[in-house]
Amino acid sequence: QKEVEQDPGPLSVPEGAIVSLNCTYSNSAFQYFMWYRQYSRKGPELLMYTYSSGNKEDGRFTAQVDKSSKYISLFIRDSQPSDSATYLCAMVPTDSWGKLQFGAGTQVVVTP
Amino acid sequence: ETGVTQSPTHLIKTRGQQVTLRCSSQSGHNTVSWYQQALGQGPQFIFQYYREEENGRGNFPPRFSGLQFPNYSSELNVNALELDDSALYLCAGGTPQDGISPLHFGNGTRLTVT
Repeated sequence: QKEVEQDPGPLSVPEGAIVSLNCTYSNSAFQYFMWYRQYSRKGPELLMYTYSSGNKEDGRFTAQVDKSSKYISLFIRDSQPSDSATYLCAMVPTDSWGKLQFGAGTQVVVTP
Repeated sequence: ETGVTQSPTHLIKTRGQQVTLRCSSQSGHNTVSWYQQALGQGPQFIFQYYREEENGRGNFPPRFSGLQFPNYSSELNVNALELDDSALYLCAGGTPQDGISPLHFGNGTRLTVT
């Protein structure tokens, strides 16, 4: 069983809809949680990172962490065709900075 | 712009050969991490260097080795290439502050082993 599970999709939504992405994990040592966006032929780009349980908002993006359920989510409001990409969740224990454990990534397609 | 540059962009090698991938990170990135991303998968942690010394390794054999230089550049070397080594190799730089700070990724080197 993988430490981080993420549905690979693809997830297709119409422009303007809310995109909902999630990951589950099994290792309770994970304390920092990140979401990266990866366009084709590019490296991952950090969107959000958070430590505590709860919500964190940044523009159209909201990240949620529920450590008791070992479940994290990313919501994208008012989705645009430019949001079409692969979204990767990543997490790391407190004492392992830089050694991220990634999910498999979810491919998102926003159709005009 | 992440401040992390990788070269070359693409590379084709034959099974059994050796390859060196390069990464240049901006000033201040005293830590570099290397990842392997197979097609359709998330990146897998290979190893990390902090102040020119290896500081953690993932589940990769010793034929994967690296170096970090004082000028914030780094190398990933892979010996005795296998077909399964075909992947996107990502370099990420950063500076740990208060336990967490963003890792900045380069755009990777796509390695094809035939």
